[in-house]
Amino acid sequence: AQSVSQHNHHVILSEAASLELGCNYSYGGTVNLFWYVQYPGQHLQLLLKYFSGDPLVKGIKGFEAEFIKSKFSFNLRKPSVQWSDTAEYFCAVYNNNDMRFGAGTRLTVKP
Amino acid sequence: GAVVSQHPSRVICKSGTSVKIECRSLDFQATTMFWYRQFPKKSLMLMATSNEGSKATYEQGVEKDKFLINHASLTLSTLTVTSAHPEDSSFYICSARDPLAGGRETQYFGPGTRLLVL
Repeated sequence: AQSVSQHNHHVILSEAASLELGCNYSYGGTVNLFWYVQYPGQHLQLLLKYFSGDPLVKGIKGFEAEFIKSKFSFNLRKPSVQWSDTAEYFCAVYNNNDMRFGAGTRLTVKP
Repeated sequence: GAVVSQHPSRVICKSGTSVKIECRSLDFQATTMFWYRQFPKKSLMLMATSNEGSKATYEQGVEKDKFLINHASLTLSTLTVTSAHPEDSSFYICSARDPLAGGRETQYFGPGTRLLVL
């Protein structure tokens, strides 16, 4: 079965710092990739997704992610974080009716 | 985007009782719904895939007799935790796939249900 790894469990940044959250998956075939965000007390929301085409995907709120097939990675980035980005971020991989999530990365942005 | 609701949002029950959680797609028809369990500081764990009009498909290690899933209509799936025990306390999240949305694999998540079994 495929697996998803998020290496950073908790990231603490100051406002305006740049962000990169790592995501690696194990499946070698065609996959669809997602980043979800869960703000405190709220439900999961889709940040961005990759199905095909341009491997650099733009999402909401200034987030982007780059799919690097050779590295089995789909890292999430944001050039300048805000306090309101404090949340838990989940990477997910879908293939053949199987959706797997990473363990999540908690991002704390200090004002 | 599409909206998925869950009810109740929070439930406290005594050990040995059964609890039903509802998942509804409010503005689309979902032929497939998913039930997840979220453990503290851990990933979402897929429990089962619920298909309208047919039996749910359970993930390995999930007891189908304990976690009863019914997907009776295109907008409603229910998860019943039977004879709940304290170890069943968790955050249960459902999601629904909108087959007409751009990208069939996109799932829309409900807000979750916090279950506490005393």
